Amino acid sequence: NAGVMQNPRHLVRRRGQEARLRCSPMKGHSHVYWYRQLPEEGLKFMVYLQKENIIDESGMPKERFSAEFPKEGPSILRIQQVVRGDSAAYFCASSPRAYEQYFGPGTRLTVT
Amino acid sequence: DAKTTQPPSMDCAEGRAANLPCNHSTISGNEYVYWYRQIHSQGPQYIIHGLKNNETNEMASLIITEDRKSSTLILPHATLRDTAVYYCIVRVVYTGTASKLTFGTGTRLQVTL
Repeated sequence: NAGVMQNPRHLVRRRGQEARLRCSPMKGHSHVYWYRQLPEEGLKFMVYLQKENIIDESGMPKERFSAEFPKEGPSILRIQQVVRGDSAAYFCASSPRAYEQYFGPGTRLTVT
Repeated sequence: DAKTTQPPSMDCAEGRAANLPCNHSTISGNEYVYWYRQIHSQGPQYIIHGLKNNETNEMASLIITEDRKSSTLILPHATLRDTAVYYCIVRVVYTGTASKLTFGTGTRLQVTL
């Protein structure tokens, strides 16, 4: 059973461009979470999704950030008009129900 | 979710048991204790969780005090590969409903030769 897959692993964007981060949950997992880790800081929750629904987006910045988890395909975290402060590691996690979450390897976004 | 307090760092000699404490004095009756670790800059790794009974798996043991206000994660024979930041998290778990993990600053465990 493959683990949580994230791609790309590294992403470089210039200020003002869009960043799209993809997350494929483990087989059979219908819950997806996105977390962000700024340099030298802890992980911060961003958003929790189930198939086609956003359940909790209390950690998402109000502007430029959006997330989806369509019926088919991976979950996407989209950042529009990136700024240098968006440079961070973005981790996706999935879970089958309510218990432990399994994390992917992360996408490291660098904004130049 | 209840707040947790962990020492910022600890050292442990390879082959010895590593005992990582966590205080969660405001934990409520329906909150579980979870432990995760993050090795270097990898994604966090689930270790173990429990409600009130002690738990053991192939990675570690979790000892929760009777009043549930504190717990200890035990790595029985630490190796260099156990060097990581260890996070103690308490969260409510409802059957069929998942919830976010709130990470604190964790304990940076350094295993040495």
